Amino acid sequence: AQRVTQPEKLLSVFKGAPVELKCNYSYSGSPELFWYVQYSRQRLQLLLRHISRESIKGFTADLNKGETSFHLKKPFAQEEDSAMYYCALRAGGTSYGKLTFGQGTILTVHP
Amino acid sequence: DARVTQTPRHKVTEMGQEVTMRCQPILGHNTVFWYRQTMMQGLELLAYFRNRAPLDDSGMPKDRFSAEMPDATLATLKIQPSEPRDSAVYFCASGLQGQGANYGYTFGSGTRLTVV
Repeated sequence: AQRVTQPEKLLSVFKGAPVELKCNYSYSGSPELFWYVQYSRQRLQLLLRHISRESIKGFTADLNKGETSFHLKKPFAQEEDSAMYYCALRAGGTSYGKLTFGQGTILTVHP
Repeated sequence: DARVTQTPRHKVTEMGQEVTMRCQPILGHNTVFWYRQTMMQGLELLAYFRNRAPLDDSGMPKDRFSAEMPDATLATLKIQPSEPRDSAVYFCASGLQGQGANYGYTFGSGTRLTVV
């Protein structure tokens, strides 16, 4: 079984401060991890994938297999970053392609 | 930009009525998901299909929910009879799996369902 945990339901920071959204996972196979963002009442959008090792809108995330974590980080938060963020894990094996989400973290960046 | 299209965007219905939500995946995508989003539960996977065949619908209440893909351009999620606790936003997502593809999925705008 696969599980994704985002321990913080709400996270508030001030503009310019660093931000880290936590994500831990449980999966017996080799995981594929993603971060999705949902701006107010809009569709979910893919933010980044661990396999790409990319930086999008200043956000980065590193897969740490030892700690089974995939935390999302940004050194200087902006007001436009305020949104709901979901961490997701895509399964392989017999459940190949199944995408499981964490509970989500609402990030609020104050001016 | 290719998009996943969901209809209707909003639906208000009375308890006991049948509700049908539709999704048009991106052309060429072979995997389609249905998710339900609520404040309490977050995003719950209801069902998903690959090449129109259902792979997993374990998250779906079988007594009232059904999901189908009558063809590659249409996925439907039906609730009969609807109940107030079904009020949520229902998202469809599509993607391409296999043949070396390794992308995230594209989500539709969702159907906001209110059952009164």
